[in-house]
Amino acid sequence: AQSVTQLGSHVSVSEGALVLLRCNYSSSVPPYLFWYVQYPNQGLQLLLKYTSAATLVKGINGFEAEFKKSETSFHLTKPSAHMSDAAEYFCAVSQRGGSARQLTFGSGTQLTVLP
Amino acid sequence: EAGVTQFPSHSVIEKGQTVTLRCDPISGHDNLYWYRRVMGKEIKFLLHFVKESKQDESGMPNNRFLAERTGGTYSTLKVQPAELEDSGVYFCASSQIRANTEAFFGQGTRLTVV
Repeated sequence: AQSVTQLGSHVSVSEGALVLLRCNYSSSVPPYLFWYVQYPNQGLQLLLKYTSAATLVKGINGFEAEFKKSETSFHLTKPSAHMSDAAEYFCAVSQRGGSARQLTFGSGTQLTVLP
Repeated sequence: EAGVTQFPSHSVIEKGQTVTLRCDPISGHDNLYWYRRVMGKEIKFLLHFVKESKQDESGMPNNRFLAERTGGTYSTLKVQPAELEDSGVYFCASSQIRANTEAFFGQGTRLTVV
């Protein structure tokens, strides 16, 4: 069984400030971890993924996330927020191995960037 | 290359009516998934096709939902009869069959049952 908890359904930051979106997971087997972003009226877009290589994963648009097994966390960060980062962000987990990958999502975090 | 395409983008129907959602995956993607997000809640898995076969339909809410993937290409998800609690955004995703490949999502179909 696996689950994802995203702390904070809404996060507001000022433009240029650090973005930190929190994600904790639970998995009975070593997981794959993902962050997806959904911009208004668009589909889910993969930001980055952890698949057991480096624990610090770099994604698109300056985002990165660090896998911390001891804390069962996979928090998403970006050093400097941009207005275009305003969107909803989803953390997801799946089991390793095989091609059939059923994702379990968190409830999402809406990021607002203030001018 | 075209991405995952879903039709329609929005649908408003009355309780008791039937609605069919369509998903066209990326060409060559044998894996096809349906997910649903009910208002304000997490995105939940509905089912998974490998080509035309249902690999896992453990997330289907009840027998009012019927998914098909004829010929292993596009997929349809029919809700009959629709109930108020079926309202939400239905996402489709596809991926290649080999391991460690990314799932690509469509823009979703927003279904409103009134």
